Amino acid sequence: EVQLVESGGRLVQPGGSLRLSCAASGFTFSSSWMHWVRQAPGKGLVWVAHIDIDGSPTSYADSVKGRFTISRDNAKNTLYLQMNSLRAEDTAVYYCARGGDYPTVWGQGTLVTVSS
Amino acid sequence: SYELTQPPSVSVSPGQTARITCSADALSKKYAYWYQQKSGQAPVLVIYEDSKRPSEIPERFSGSTSGTMATLTISGTQVEDEADYYCYSTDSSGNHGGVFGGGTKLTVL
Repeated sequence: EVQLVESGGRLVQPGGSLRLSCAASGFTFSSSWMHWVRQAPGKGLVWVAHIDIDGSPTSYADSVKGRFTISRDNAKNTLYLQMNSLRAEDTAVYYCARGGDYPTVWGQGTLVTVSS
Repeated sequence: SYELTQPPSVSVSPGQTARITCSADALSKKYAYWYQQKSGQAPVLVIYEDSKRPSEIPERFSGSTSGTMATLTISGTQVEDEADYYCYSTDSSGNHGGVFGGGTKLTVL
């Protein structure tokens, strides 16, 4: 069974940094493209970032470009999202998802709250 | 980037047909995908590449496109289909970036 488990979400102050992790199991992670998608409380889904099989290339939404970095460790079957210079508007549940052109299977998400 | 436009809400009675639309000029050249998100849960893919249905999704879910509009149709809508539905398509960068529609709340009453 494909399983994705996000972790690392917490309360962080504006301007702070946070690294999210996504542990993958039940499929060949090293052969899978991966996405991060977020959802602010009560709002819709927003695509955030994508990474290819071996870590490059990557792509980002304009709203996070230059602040967030997606990466992966295929030896550990883990996807990461490094988030710097966090803003209140980054407050959201962050989902990782397996997929190439589109997300297929999603994790349950981890909540990031940016507030002083 | 571009926007995918969905109606904020659609209501349907149980057993009736629900149709949720998604529009953008780009959809004339790109695939549409549809996700169902029930309250407090992660999204689930229900339609991919305009009209294909994952094996685990009930046959009452179908997708179609015409010009710049994609449509998700739920035939014989059931109470458990009440959820938010999002369309998705790829952006123009060619690097697997994507765009979601604003979402449609389907109410079954």
